[in-house]
Amino acid sequence: TQLLEQSPQFLSIQEGENLTVYCNSSSVFSSLQWYRQEPGEGPVLLVTVVTGGEVKKLKRLTFQFGDARKDSSLHITAAQPGDTGLYLCAGAGGSEKLVFGKGTKLTVNP
Amino acid sequence: NAGVMQNPRHLVRRRGQEARLRCSPMKGHSHVYWYRQLPEEGLKFMVYLQKENIIDESGMPKERFSAEFPKEGPSILRIQQVVRGDSAAYFCASGQELKRYTFGSGTRLTVV
Repeated sequence: TQLLEQSPQFLSIQEGENLTVYCNSSSVFSSLQWYRQEPGEGPVLLVTVVTGGEVKKLKRLTFQFGDARKDSSLHITAAQPGDTGLYLCAGAGGSEKLVFGKGTKLTVNP
Repeated sequence: NAGVMQNPRHLVRRRGQEARLRCSPMKGHSHVYWYRQLPEEGLKFMVYLQKENIIDESGMPKERFSAEFPKEGPSILRIQQVVRGDSAAYFCASGQELKRYTFGSGTRLTVV
């Protein structure tokens, strides 16, 4: 069974700080996605990484896929209150379904 | 271009009743996926359907749960004889390929 472990589970920081959240597994994934979910809404896709070692940037967000395609990280620079939300990583293992981590609940305080 | 539409947004059922959750995929999408999110848990895959076909139902409980995606109309997730443990948020996603899922806003089912 493929599992994705996300850490930390909760993170509360002040506006302007930097942060990194992690997504780890013992399994290899063909691709990995990051989503952000706000209360009462569905997850919204932020990025898909496919190649081991790949780095993608989306404004202040930097996503990295591990060389062995077992782990990923999300780094946010100069966090803003609008970044508050639940960040989920999800891995694709060759079938048409995603395996999700439990998420990191981020709170950015003004 | 409407996104993935799910209804109802909130559904309350008494134990033993049936729950029907609907999902209309994005225009042009023929693949529908259902996921369930329990409190403090990540999303768990339930079923993957294409028009008139169930492709992968490996995440569906063996009893009481069924899904369909007819030629015309929305995809339906049906839960018979609901129990309290079925209370969760149910999300539908559509996409032409796995890497480009779009999720709906979900149906929050509460069983009382």
